[in-house]
Amino acid sequence: EAGVAQSPRYKIIEKRQSVAFWCNPISGHATLYWYQQILGQGPKLLIQFQNNGVVDDSQLPKDRFSAERLKGVDSTLKIQPAKLEDSAVYLCASSLGGTGNYGYTFGSGTRLTVV
Amino acid sequence: DAKTTQPNSMESNEEEPVHLPCNHSTISGTDYIHWYRQLPSQGPEYVIHGLTSNVNNRMASLAIAEDRKSSTLILHRATLRDAAVYYCIPWGAQKLVFGQGTRLTINP
Repeated sequence: EAGVAQSPRYKIIEKRQSVAFWCNPISGHATLYWYQQILGQGPKLLIQFQNNGVVDDSQLPKDRFSAERLKGVDSTLKIQPAKLEDSAVYLCASSLGGTGNYGYTFGSGTRLTVV
Repeated sequence: DAKTTQPNSMESNEEEPVHLPCNHSTISGTDYIHWYRQLPSQGPEYVIHGLTSNVNNRMASLAIAEDRKSSTLILHRATLRDAAVYYCIPWGAQKLVFGQGTRLTINP
């Protein structure tokens, strides 16, 4: 089965610019997650979708970050405007369901550098 | 979210078994215990999960204490490709919350 696809793989932008990341989950996976991983730390959940509805966005900095999942499949995560502290790897993951009996499949991530 | 305690780092030799411990004393009765690992420059990879009984799959075994306050991930025969950060995560509140994990080094 194909894995979780993410693009771009790397992105370098200047502070105050905007950037968007794309994720295509595994076919049939209803639940999609975006995580932020700062160097040396574990991933931090930003937002969780169930189909195309938001389940949890309590950790998403909503003044600059936004995410959508149209038609319950692909998802985009946007940052506008970017700050230096947004430099991190942005990981997308998907699972069959939102309960503990399903494992997550992660993509390889997008490494963002804000200069 | 249940709090977990894992060693910051562990070291083992190739072709030997590795036992990675995790304490999760505040786990709730319905939380599954998940283990993920992250190789350098890659996203986390699912390893195994369980609720009460011990579990085996092609990658590893998961031994869960009877009181569920701790668990151990067992790699039966470590290879160099098993060098990674291993995360133990009690699944609660409908989301995976990652801690710092254990950095496993495998010596040839």
